[in-house]
Amino acid sequence: DTGVSQDPRHKITKRGQNVTFRCDPISEHNRLYWYRQTLGQGPEFLTYFQNEAQLEKSRLLSDRFSAERPKGSFSTLEIQRTEQGDSAMYLCAGYRGSGTEAFFGQGTRLTVV
Amino acid sequence: AQTVTQSQPEMSVQEAETVTLSCTYDTSESDYYLFWYKQPPSRQMILVIRQEAYKQQNATENRFSVNFQKAAKSFSLKISDSQLGDAAMYFCAYRGNFGNEKLTFGTGTRLTIIP
Repeated sequence: DTGVSQDPRHKITKRGQNVTFRCDPISEHNRLYWYRQTLGQGPEFLTYFQNEAQLEKSRLLSDRFSAERPKGSFSTLEIQRTEQGDSAMYLCAGYRGSGTEAFFGQGTRLTVV
Repeated sequence: AQTVTQSQPEMSVQEAETVTLSCTYDTSESDYYLFWYKQPPSRQMILVIRQEAYKQQNATENRFSVNFQKAAKSFSLKISDSQLGDAAMYFCAYRGNFGNEKLTFGTGTRLTIIP
């Protein structure tokens, strides 16, 4: 167990609906990353938080995507007006202290129908 | 931009035998980290082994070892005495040593263990 939990594990939504995912790292994870993993591919970087500050966003993160990390604890990733191309596994990973190891959650698998 | 290539989509090995997974990468940086992550079905991705580019000695973690060839930009993973629990997707990943810790992953190798 990596200590990082994600909710929900699975989400099926209709195209055009909004969805929100949650990531709960352990308290020591001051850095938090979101990745997207499509079928047959490795995870791709989406965005990164240092405590509550969002410091970098990938070009993959269109205007329909928004992420927050209030108070530097849990994080949410919202997708507005979902499209079929948004279907993927969304992974969250935390880092603690000066460590180099990423601790991943189990991911949220999104299916847009 | 950095790229990571895993040319073996699937590999299989007999239980107790040895298997090597290949990874090549491209970067213009001189200092970086390389990782192998394991992703079992429906379970969390976990770190298997890491290598700092400035270290010439290959990293070893119990049954897992790497062959790091910096000049060739090659980073292979050797699993000795394969066990049923080793069955998973294995991802090679790159991280630069400056800025944040975002990882660039390869497309993965699915490893099957044959009893």
